[in-house]
Amino acid sequence: RKEVEQDPGPFNVPEGATVAFNCTYSNSASQSFFWYRQDCRKEPKLLMSVYSSGNEDGRFTAQLNRASQYISLLIRDSKLSDSATYLCVVIGSSNTGKLIFGQGTTLQVKP
Amino acid sequence: GAGVSQTPSNKVTEKGKYVELRCDPISGHTALYWYRQSLGQGPEFLIYFQGTGAADDSGLPNDRFFAVRPEGSVSTLKIQRTERGDSAVYLCASSLGDRPNYGYTFGSGTRLTVV
Repeated sequence: RKEVEQDPGPFNVPEGATVAFNCTYSNSASQSFFWYRQDCRKEPKLLMSVYSSGNEDGRFTAQLNRASQYISLLIRDSKLSDSATYLCVVIGSSNTGKLIFGQGTTLQVKP
Repeated sequence: GAGVSQTPSNKVTEKGKYVELRCDPISGHTALYWYRQSLGQGPEFLIYFQGTGAADDSGLPNDRFFAVRPEGSVSTLKIQRTERGDSAVYLCASSLGDRPNYGYTFGSGTRLTVV
């Protein structure tokens, strides 16, 4: 079993739609959680950190459920420019700060 | 420089050859990570340096892979006797330290193709 699991998609949605991505992680001792965005043939870039209390950044909302070991990302009012791969990322219990990535979920927003 | 620089951006090599991939991190960043990303997958951790030393090399797939960071700045990932399965994008990231609140900056990667 992979340490971080995501539905790879693709998710094809019209502009303006709301879309949700889910992710589960296996190590209950994981400490930090993130969503990264990766455009085609580009490097991953931090989209947002994820906190137990939930956090919002404009149209993006991230949630963490430690009991279920589940992370989510909600995108409201999708834009064409949101088309990308969204990577769920966890930092495990080691003290090296290494990022553990999920497979990524591909989003395609269509006009 | 302003960002993490990786060279070359593309490398095509023949099966069995030796390759070196270079990463120049952001000045002052003590932590440096190498990842490998295959098509359709997320990046997979290879090795982590804190300063000059490899603090965690648990992700290196086998002894054909080796990395160094002799002066605590530039790092080189070395692959011996390349195989077609080594074809991937090799990403480097650097950070001020090994705590997540420092943030990570990725380079644009080296696309390695073994033919």
